[in-house]
Amino acid sequence: GAVVSQHPSRVICKSGTSVKIECRSLDFQATTMFWYRQFPKQSLMLMATSNEGSKATYEQGVEKDKFLINHASLTLSTLTVTSAHPEDSSFYICSASPRGQQAGEQYFGPGTRLTVT
Amino acid sequence: ILNVEQSPQSLHVQEGDSTNFTCSFPSSNFYALHWYRWETAKSPEALFVMTLNGDEKKKGRISATLNTKEGYSYLYIKGSQPEDSATYLCAPGGNTPLVFGKGTRLSVIA
Repeated sequence: GAVVSQHPSRVICKSGTSVKIECRSLDFQATTMFWYRQFPKQSLMLMATSNEGSKATYEQGVEKDKFLINHASLTLSTLTVTSAHPEDSSFYICSASPRGQQAGEQYFGPGTRLTVT
Repeated sequence: ILNVEQSPQSLHVQEGDSTNFTCSFPSSNFYALHWYRWETAKSPEALFVMTLNGDEKKKGRISATLNTKEGYSYLYIKGSQPEDSATYLCAPGGNTPLVFGKGTRLSVIA
């Protein structure tokens, strides 16, 4: 149980285009989903917290107009990187927290490697 | 921003050796401490959620201890096996978003 999928696993796009990444909880309902980014040799950095049916909460320094997050259902959140630039190349990973989960336990997707050329 | 330190950054051990590594975090306003194992090309997998000072949890050959007063947790692996090779992440939080350390990358050599 508690499986989270993420699609695509890898994507290469040209500078200026937009890319959408999907995060799905396959066997549970997730009231809250989280989006992280990891640069080489760095820790997972939280970008935003996404609550179903409401606007995402972005961390300081993360541009909400550039990283659009939608959490339209209890099993799906999407992250759209708009007008991507090479500096957006990174590893993006989502996690989901089931309803009523104690102590904030999260289940992670396998991540998406984004390369912007 | 919470300062979460994990040491060592990387570790190579022989199969059968036991090993341990450390997670340090601010002791104030502690809520919970999470340990994850992250194998290459897979999703991070939750190992333990620890909440009580002095807590010790065990899953097979892996165990963890928690000291909330001084702000550290140890992860122990007994009799390391090649399949234990992974990056081990810790993250305090739960009532607030998790803040991850950089992880300890463990390589177990057969």
